[in-house]
Amino acid sequence: KAGVTQTPRYLIKTRGQQVTLSCSPISGHRSVSWYQQTPGQGLQFLFEYFSETQRNKGNFPGRFSGRQFSNSRSEMNVSTLELGDSALYLCASASQGDGGYTFGSGTRLTVV
Amino acid sequence: DQQVKQNSPSLSVQEGRISILNCDYTNSMFDYFLWYKKYPAEGPTFLISISSIKDKNEDGRFTVFLNKSAKHLSLHIVPSQPGDSAVYFCAASISRIGSGNTGKLIFGQGTTLQVKP
Repeated sequence: KAGVTQTPRYLIKTRGQQVTLSCSPISGHRSVSWYQQTPGQGLQFLFEYFSETQRNKGNFPGRFSGRQFSNSRSEMNVSTLELGDSALYLCASASQGDGGYTFGSGTRLTVV
Repeated sequence: DQQVKQNSPSLSVQEGRISILNCDYTNSMFDYFLWYKKYPAEGPTFLISISSIKDKNEDGRFTVFLNKSAKHLSLHIVPSQPGDSAVYFCAASISRIGSGNTGKLIFGQGTTLQVKP
């Protein structure tokens, strides 16, 4: 089966801009989570969506937002980008009873 | 507040020997634990998990041990192979992944394993 697909793979943005990242989960998976990975902070949970509803949110400012569509595809948006937002953004999906989340390859965001 | 800690940033072992990666946690509400393996420029790959009702789970060369009283888990890889060289993350959750609950994962900082031929 196809894995979790994240687009784009790489992105360069300027401070103050906004960005939208996309994630297509594994077919049939209804739970989608987003994580930020940075060298200093490691992997940190951003938010999780299940059946188009945000079920949980991590400790990130309101500039980080997301949504999930009826086909379970998800997007996350970061507004007013800061240099510190440069990171690898990972999306993961899971179905009921799975052993663990399956991660995509991530989107590498660089803010200059 | 680092709820999940991997105190060894790196580990080097010889091919064929055992690799033991350790992880400690502080939140007694965690009831599901996972190990992921990560190569550069790729997302983490799920390896093995364990529920808090168990103290051991085995899958091929990988075994995870859970000591709830010590709030400690470990991943054993036997025998270690050069292809196992990667960063290993332990993660914890208060609910089973993908269930009706939130499934939020708290990750440790990772341990870089190098298996020498």
